[in-house]
Amino acid sequence: NFMLTQPHSVSESPGKTVTISCTRSSGNILSNYVQWYQQRPGSAPTTVMYEDHQRPSGVPDRFSGSIDSSSNSASLTISGLKTEDEADYYCQSYDKTNRWVFGGGTKLTVL
Amino acid sequence: EVQLVESGGGLIQPGGSLRLSCTASGFSVGSKFMAWVRQAPGKGLEWVSVIYIDGSTYHADSVKGRFTISRDNYKNTLYLQMNSLRVEDTAVYYCAKNLGPGSHFDYWGRGTLVTVSS
Repeated sequence: NFMLTQPHSVSESPGKTVTISCTRSSGNILSNYVQWYQQRPGSAPTTVMYEDHQRPSGVPDRFSGSIDSSSNSASLTISGLKTEDEADYYCQSYDKTNRWVFGGGTKLTVL
Repeated sequence: EVQLVESGGGLIQPGGSLRLSCTASGFSVGSKFMAWVRQAPGKGLEWVSVIYIDGSTYHADSVKGRFTISRDNYKNTLYLQMNSLRVEDTAVYYCAKNLGPGSHFDYWGRGTLVTVSS
């Protein structure tokens, strides 16, 4: 069984770019897609990235996803930060033993 | 329009049982992968259980043997039977639709709060 590790928090100024990492503890990051969810306080999560780098309709192209096999990690990059991007972000992948795995979450502060 | 509405949460004593329901509209629960995901107060998301289109079910180690996921295709409703509840099961429980192994949860309910306390 693997785990997904995210930084506890990141912060950046409006208009800047921030990258949130998600590192897989064992097994190949390329073996299953990585998804990213945004969760605002008091609300259910919503998908901002799926299948590593696919954006759902309605998610601005300021959001992008990538995979780095050398570090066995996935990343979510948000450019042109807006105050409305302030939220918790979770990565998620799938274990072929029929488990869905979430990262611990990253609190993004836009200050 | 796809909607998921959870119900059945509440305050329950340790060792007790509770059944959560998730009523779906806009699609058939029997034709999709459906799951429960929970979030303890101030904590992150934790996958709990999933039911596949073929009826296969899988549960996280933390709830295996205590929780059971099921569905009623006629009522278009997903269930989570929770037995032998523990304080650490306290969380908001979300019902979510998934596009399949390896894919994402594309629709979520608003969640129902389960509080296990004496």
